[in-house]
Amino acid sequence: GENVEQHPSTLSVQEGDSAVIKCTYSDSASNYFPWYKQELGKGPQLIIDIRSNVGEKKDQRIAVTLNKTAKHFSLHITETQPEDSAVYFCAASKDTGFQKLVFGTGTRLLVSP
Amino acid sequence: DAGVIQSPRHEVTEMGQEVTLRCKPISGHDYLFWYRQTMMRGLELLIYFNNNVPIDDSGMPEDRFSAKMPNASFSTLKIQPSEPRDSAVYFCASSSPDRPYGYTFGSGTRLTVV
Repeated sequence: GENVEQHPSTLSVQEGDSAVIKCTYSDSASNYFPWYKQELGKGPQLIIDIRSNVGEKKDQRIAVTLNKTAKHFSLHITETQPEDSAVYFCAASKDTGFQKLVFGTGTRLLVSP
Repeated sequence: DAGVIQSPRHEVTEMGQEVTLRCKPISGHDYLFWYRQTMMRGLELLIYFNNNVPIDDSGMPEDRFSAKMPNASFSTLKIQPSEPRDSAVYFCASSSPDRPYGYTFGSGTRLTVV
């Protein structure tokens, strides 16, 4: 089955810096890669996703890139703000029929003012 | 929409007691998921339903855990008897037919078994 590895487990940056979180997956048939943000005391929330027919996707200050050959994908946050502090999860799945999401272990991002 | 609603938000119980966690998915969503989150194991999928039918319960850790979905608007996760190692945050999530991978999570139930 699919296995998703995520790193780093913790990441501390200064406000205004960029942050990058990386994930690798094992199943070459996976073709859907979402990212979730979990704030303290809340459930994870979908913030951006990408499918394998696209190499990069942007939404304001966040972007996700995908390298299918290397089987890895990354989340990029530019101009970080204190409210970006949260735990971020990557996930992977096949998009044919329904296949459950397999989540990474999470990255705790701390943005210091 | 009020989102996915879970109750209770916090539950403290003694070892050996029965615990029931409740979830109301978003109306119109046909997939429902139960996850457990711990520091050691991260997010673990316990079971998921499609149209009220359990599809995959391979993540349910033991026979002490059971889940039901009697109708499209309600699901329960029951632990009987509870043990201290069951202490975790339990999340319910749902997704819609047109976006099955866009999970919407509830706020979770923090369970403490003493």
